[in-house]
Amino acid sequence: DARVTQTPRHKVTEMGQEVTMRCQPILGHNTVFWYRQTMMQGLELLAYFRNRAPLDDSGMPKDRFSAEMPDATLATLKIQPSEPRDSAVYFCASGSLPDRVYNEQFFGPGTRLTVL
Amino acid sequence: QKEVEQNSGPLSVPEGAIASLNCTYSDRGSQSFFWYRQYSGKSPELIMFIYSNGDKEDGRFTAQLNKASQYVSLLIRDSQPSDSATYLCAVKSSASKIIFGSGTRLSIRP
Repeated sequence: DARVTQTPRHKVTEMGQEVTMRCQPILGHNTVFWYRQTMMQGLELLAYFRNRAPLDDSGMPKDRFSAEMPDATLATLKIQPSEPRDSAVYFCASGSLPDRVYNEQFFGPGTRLTVL
Repeated sequence: QKEVEQNSGPLSVPEGAIASLNCTYSDRGSQSFFWYRQYSGKSPELIMFIYSNGDKEDGRFTAQLNKASQYVSLLIRDSQPSDSATYLCAVKSSASKIIFGSGTRLSIRP
């Protein structure tokens, strides 16, 4: 059963704390995306990796957010320090065949982050 | 102007009727277009994609694309209560970035 997994599923933390979210893409997929979803902003792309290299992180606040892909089976998104406005659901998605017109993404279940 | 625009709804449709969801986009060089369905508290799942002008049918779903008008739509025939969800339009731009609309909430009333 190939699917994207994310941990933790829920995280409640206090303002100023570091938050790390993890994602395991579908085996064989070479593109990984991080999204943030809120009621106000909808689904926003934060960062995008291809073959573990960051291609676009223009949607990410650089001063507090960082995204890495230490190996093909793990992508991480860190927030340090966290702020209440970071409260959202963070989705990881993976896909393959990035050079084709068609580029389906498979979404993980998301991490629901609450920063108090 | 947002890059991908959708009416937020809610769109209420009686069971068995046709639900019509619309999406417009601003980048004329956009390459491919996707419709995702998202149930409350769940992650988005792809239901249709289209990259050529015209209609594409898959079961009860039909995607329609008009690049000249920068318009893409999703028709759901014989609507069922299980179709009640938020439908997200996504566009792969000329810069190969996939941009999502804010979604249309669809409610099918029995």
